[in-house]
Amino acid sequence: EVQLVESGGGLVQPGGSLRLSCVDSGFTFSSYWMNWVRQAPGKGLEWVASIKVDGSEKYYMDSVRGRFSISRDNARNSLYLQMNRLRVEDTAMYYCARDSSVVGGSVWGQGTMVRVSS
Amino acid sequence: AVLTQSPLSLPVTLGQPASISCRSSQSLVHSDGNTHLNWLHQRPGHPPRRLIYKISNRESGVPDRFSGAGSGTDFTLEISRVEAEDVGVYYCMEGIYWRFGQGTKLEIK
Repeated sequence: EVQLVESGGGLVQPGGSLRLSCVDSGFTFSSYWMNWVRQAPGKGLEWVASIKVDGSEKYYMDSVRGRFSISRDNARNSLYLQMNRLRVEDTAMYYCARDSSVVGGSVWGQGTMVRVSS
Repeated sequence: AVLTQSPLSLPVTLGQPASISCRSSQSLVHSDGNTHLNWLHQRPGHPPRRLIYKISNRESGVPDRFSGAGSGTDFTLEISRVEAEDVGVYYCMEGIYWRFGQGTKLEIK
């Protein structure tokens, strides 16, 4: 069973930085677009960023563009989210995930919690 | 596209049916000819799990009491007979641009 495992979350002050990582235990990481999705406490799901299979295209939600950077290392089966100039409103559980329209094509990690507070 | 779900809260008696609507502000038919509309289920403390993909295709292991339907801008998730394990929040999701509905919280009456 393919697993995505996130790490790197924690408590950080406003204006600080964190780097999230997501490791794919499967063998097909390099075949998929990958995504970061976040969920503020008690709130719904919110797409954050996406990256193409080879890293050549990257997309961001408006409120993080210019502050967050998504990247990947296909040789390490790893996805990253560099988060700079963090704000209180960035507090959320951050999930890495992928989705393809075939049976079993949706995979979500367990999430890593980011808390931005002074 | 903005996805709007209704209702946002859904109290249901065990064994009774339930229905959730998801409406898009624009057609979700993609240039590949498919409509990548998914339904996800999330229990407290857990990541979301996809139940339905491309409008009406059930994931492996999803009970057949779950069904999806719709086209274009209007979609529906139906549960024929709600069981206790069905509680949680249901999200519709557009699978190309990763847009989510607000979520519908299903609880047992």
